[in-house]
Amino acid sequence: EDQVTQSPEALRLQEGESSSLNCSYTVSGLRGLFWYRQDPGKGPEFLFTLYSAGEEKEKERLKATLTKKESFLHITAPKPEDSATYLCAAGVTGAGSYQLTFGKGTKLSVIP
Amino acid sequence: ETGVTQTPRHLVMGMTNKKSLKCEQHLGHNAMYWYKQSAKKPLELMFVYSLEERVENNSVPSRFSPECPNSSHLFLHLHTLQPEDSALYLCASSQSGGRNQPQHFGDGTRLSIL
Repeated sequence: EDQVTQSPEALRLQEGESSSLNCSYTVSGLRGLFWYRQDPGKGPEFLFTLYSAGEEKEKERLKATLTKKESFLHITAPKPEDSATYLCAAGVTGAGSYQLTFGKGTKLSVIP
Repeated sequence: ETGVTQTPRHLVMGMTNKKSLKCEQHLGHNAMYWYKQSAKKPLELMFVYSLEERVENNSVPSRFSPECPNSSHLFLHLHTLQPEDSALYLCASSQSGGRNQPQHFGDGTRLSIL
């Protein structure tokens, strides 16, 4: 069974304190690893897609990396506005081109 | 209007009511999705419409009925729902292709069943 596990479940950081969120996946035939940000009362906002091990993507204070078993979302010098729930999803083969398996998310709180 | 728009944003209904959720995408995509988001659970895919083909999660109860009249509009018809159906219902769209393309989400309909 395809599985995506995110850790930690919740993370509190002081402003400027860098850290990483983890997304480990067990899927048969990865066809893309996706990161989303979700604010309260809003839908998930697309951040990155990674397609192959070794690939990296950056956007402002966020950097996403991918290995054959997991992905990391590194947050450098976070600010309070980075507070949100971060979701990871794996695109899988064998279920059409459209199947995403989501993790439960990591709720990030950045304290001023 | 840009992106993916969902209406209504909030809905309270009794178990015997019939209601519909609406989704419209302005991104020129050709695939649309319904997801259910409950507290402490991962997003659960309910239905997919792609190039007029419907793919569904077999665990979705028949009290949920999707309709996709064209590539820009998606509906979720609700009838005789149960209290456990209270959740955030999210619509998404994407461009279908050989590799998974990112899905873009609306802000959801918060559904409460009395």
